[in-house]
Amino acid sequence: DTAVSQTPKYLVTQMGNDKSIKCEQNLGHDTMYWYKQDSKKFLKIMFSYNNKELIINETVPNRFSPKSPDKAHLNLHINSLELGDSAVYFCASRQGTANYGYTFGSGTRLTVV
Amino acid sequence: AQTVTQSQPEMSVQEAETVTLSCTYDTSENNYYLFWYKQPPSRQMILVIRQEAYKQQNATENRFSVNFQKAAKSFSLKISDSQLGDTAMYFCAFMKHAGGGADGLTFGKGTHLIIQP
Repeated sequence: DTAVSQTPKYLVTQMGNDKSIKCEQNLGHDTMYWYKQDSKKFLKIMFSYNNKELIINETVPNRFSPKSPDKAHLNLHINSLELGDSAVYFCASRQGTANYGYTFGSGTRLTVV
Repeated sequence: AQTVTQSQPEMSVQEAETVTLSCTYDTSENNYYLFWYKQPPSRQMILVIRQEAYKQQNATENRFSVNFQKAAKSFSLKISDSQLGDTAMYFCAFMKHAGGGADGLTFGKGTHLIIQP
């Protein structure tokens, strides 16, 4: 049973297209996140959702929009894709206190050509 | 804002040796959490060990242990009896005490650890 699942695992698309990455967690966690890992492996938070409320938005371009239909899902929609958007995107979730850390999905490698 | 620094971009040791990965951080917070994550070539992010700042005792998980020096803002990871499967990127991460809100992780740039046979 996959705790945090992301689809697709790989995504190749052309500049200017719109794409979505889906994330689902079956852990019953309260908060979900999106992180971006660039080509140098640096990880940075993009968004978090707590009870369907956006809590963090770390200067991410407004071409990126998180959408959470319910507590178990946090999808990432990207409009007008650019070459610089190529990266690995990770979904993660956390329950209450951070004592238990975060659970990450396996990542989606996005390549914009 | 918090910053996390990992000063060793890459390290290489022989199998069965002990290796220590360094991490320092900067914060004005008093309550926070520190983590080490492992990312093997499969790119899955795996939690290795965690430490609550209010606990003086260093966390230990089997072959993995930390040396947490709060005053020095240092959080190093020691891997004993290293194994080939330990080859991976290791990330140090910081998180403020959430206090009912939601805070994300601040990561260091990672250390690529290579275990040689």
